[in-house]
Amino acid sequence: KAGVTQTPRYLIKTRGQQVTLSCSPISGHRSVSWYQQTPGQGLQFLFEYFSETQRNKGNFPGRFSGRQFSNSRSEMNVSTLELGDSALYLCASRPDRGPTGELFFGEGSRLTVL
Amino acid sequence: DAKTTQPTSMDCAEGRAANLPCNHSTISGNEYVYWYRQIHSQGPQYIIHGLKNNETNEMASLIITEDRKSSTLILPHATLRDTAVYYCIVRVARDNYGQNFVFGPGTRLSVLP
Repeated sequence: KAGVTQTPRYLIKTRGQQVTLSCSPISGHRSVSWYQQTPGQGLQFLFEYFSETQRNKGNFPGRFSGRQFSNSRSEMNVSTLELGDSALYLCASRPDRGPTGELFFGEGSRLTVL
Repeated sequence: DAKTTQPTSMDCAEGRAANLPCNHSTISGNEYVYWYRQIHSQGPQYIIHGLKNNETNEMASLIITEDRKSSTLILPHATLRDTAVYYCIVRVARDNYGQNFVFGPGTRLSVLP
């Protein structure tokens, strides 16, 4: 079974630009979460989607947005990039069945903002 | 979700058992204990979870105290590839409101040859 796939793995942008990151969850998983990881703040929750609906949102500015498609694939977008947005962006999916719903993470997309 | 406290770092000799503690003194009765690890520059990897009873799988064992205020993750025979940051998380079981997993700073485990 293929794992969570994130693209691109690495990208470099300049301040003021926007970026779109993509995540394909494990087949059959309908829940997709996004996290930002930086050396200073650690892993921080961005948002979670389930069946194309955002269910939960972390404490990030409106420049960070996301969406989920009918095939459960998800994208996140960051507009008007700032230097502080340089981070590893991680996507995770979890199964619908079972009570505890552990997360399965992708390898991440490493964004560098110059 | 309850907060957890873990040591910042630990060392372990290769081939020996690595015991990683976690305090979660305010855990609620319906909250599970999860363990994840993150090897450098990779996404976190699920290890194990439990509610009350001790759990074991192919990767590790999880020992939860009777009062559930603390737990220990045991890697029975640590290898160099177990060097990683280990996160202990407590949260309720699946809910319909998308409660997120809250990751603390974790414990940086270094397995030494």
